[in-house]
Amino acid sequence: DAKTTQPTSMDCAEGRAANLPCNHSTISGNEYVYWYRQIHSQGPQYIIHGLKNNETNEMASLIITEDRKSSTLILPHATLRDTAVYYCIVRVARNNNDMRFGAGTRLTVKP
Amino acid sequence: NAGVMQNPRHLVRRRGQEARLRCSPMKGHSHVYWYRQLPEEGLKFMVYLQKENIIDESGMPKERFSAEFPKEGPSILRIQQVVRGDSAAYFCASSLGWAGVTYEQYFGPGTRLTVT
Repeated sequence: DAKTTQPTSMDCAEGRAANLPCNHSTISGNEYVYWYRQIHSQGPQYIIHGLKNNETNEMASLIITEDRKSSTLILPHATLRDTAVYYCIVRVARNNNDMRFGAGTRLTVKP
Repeated sequence: NAGVMQNPRHLVRRRGQEARLRCSPMKGHSHVYWYRQLPEEGLKFMVYLQKENIIDESGMPKERFSAEFPKEGPSILRIQQVVRGDSAAYFCASSLGWAGVTYEQYFGPGTRLTVT
């Protein structure tokens, strides 16, 4: 699976949009981009995933560049409860079912 | 609609004892995954199981660790003769079908193992 690179930490003001970048320059054509978050030692929570088109759900939006070498997770109106470690994971289906969690980005939402 | 259940949530064992961690997947899910998270680190994949089968155990330590997912009952991660380095949070995840791109994994709250 492709490796991902994320900033170690980010801050965001409450109510503002949080934009979390992820680089995955070696991504293959059949690899998807997944985002999970982990709030203070709880189990990781699925947020969103995509292949090449931008995706949006009730939690967030995922913007994937045209060359697919990077993506951005957008939390449109961050709240204090969005403070967490956010993991960007690139993986292909078929037989490889493990997800490789890196260090992630520690997002702190400040009042 | 209960999520993934894990118990116990906290487990303390002395060195040399056995630890048994249990995971009940979400209703309808037949695929289970175990991950380990050391303090201040990301999750590391350990093993992927379907009912009665181990599909991928490439992340499991070669000794002392074993996992099963019987036809009836929860999945069990077993650690024999625990050592201090086994102290970690162990997370279980489950998925519907197999974790193809349309089937995300849902995680339980984890079991925090402390070896004294």
